Amino acid sequence: DQQVKQNSPSLSVQEGRISILNCDYTNSMFDYFLWYKKYPAEGPTFLISISSIKDKNEDGRFTVFLNKSAKHLSLHIVPSQPGDSAVYFCAAGGEYGNKLVFGAGTILRVKS
Amino acid sequence: DVKVTQSSRYLVKRTGEKVFLECVQDMDHENMFWYRQDPGLGLRLIYFSYDVKMKEKGDIPEGYSVSREKKERFSLILESASTNQTSMYLCASSIFGESYEQYFGPGTRLTVT
Repeated sequence: DQQVKQNSPSLSVQEGRISILNCDYTNSMFDYFLWYKKYPAEGPTFLISISSIKDKNEDGRFTVFLNKSAKHLSLHIVPSQPGDSAVYFCAAGGEYGNKLVFGAGTILRVKS
Repeated sequence: DVKVTQSSRYLVKRTGEKVFLECVQDMDHENMFWYRQDPGLGLRLIYFSYDVKMKEKGDIPEGYSVSREKKERFSLILESASTNQTSMYLCASSIFGESYEQYFGPGTRLTVT
């Protein structure tokens, strides 16, 4: 059973508009959440994270929101740029040591 | 600058061969991880290690083993490669403790024919 779910396999957005990527989790032990970005033929790179004691974290064009009661987090990218086109993975930690559990990923395409 | 390197970017092996995938990190990280990435399944943890000579099974360890003889090096071994092990293999490392951030290598695309 998937503990971290990204229910949208893909998302297409116009350049300059907002991209919203969603992630749901089931394990209440998770207390830290991260977003990674992955280009083809490269390893994932860390984008932004949030601890369970917060409900929002911003870094430039990227904002992550956490709703603990709903076990839901989202990544907002504003404004979206063509270079943001990549696969985005949501990940959760806290269940055991420094291990992370990843979602299946969402392919974001930003059209110019 | 943080660096995780993997021995090969692309690898083609035959069914039944023993396959070694090597990963080296230069950040003095205690934790190292091996994942495989498949379309629609995301990153799935195969094995991880918190220290030299220590290893723990991840979510899909069957058909794999690992070795960590030195802190900077973590090897993934496919004892007898099968076609269902065709995948992208990703190595990562992280600091032991409160930080969850993992640093990834570029990946090895393994094809088993």
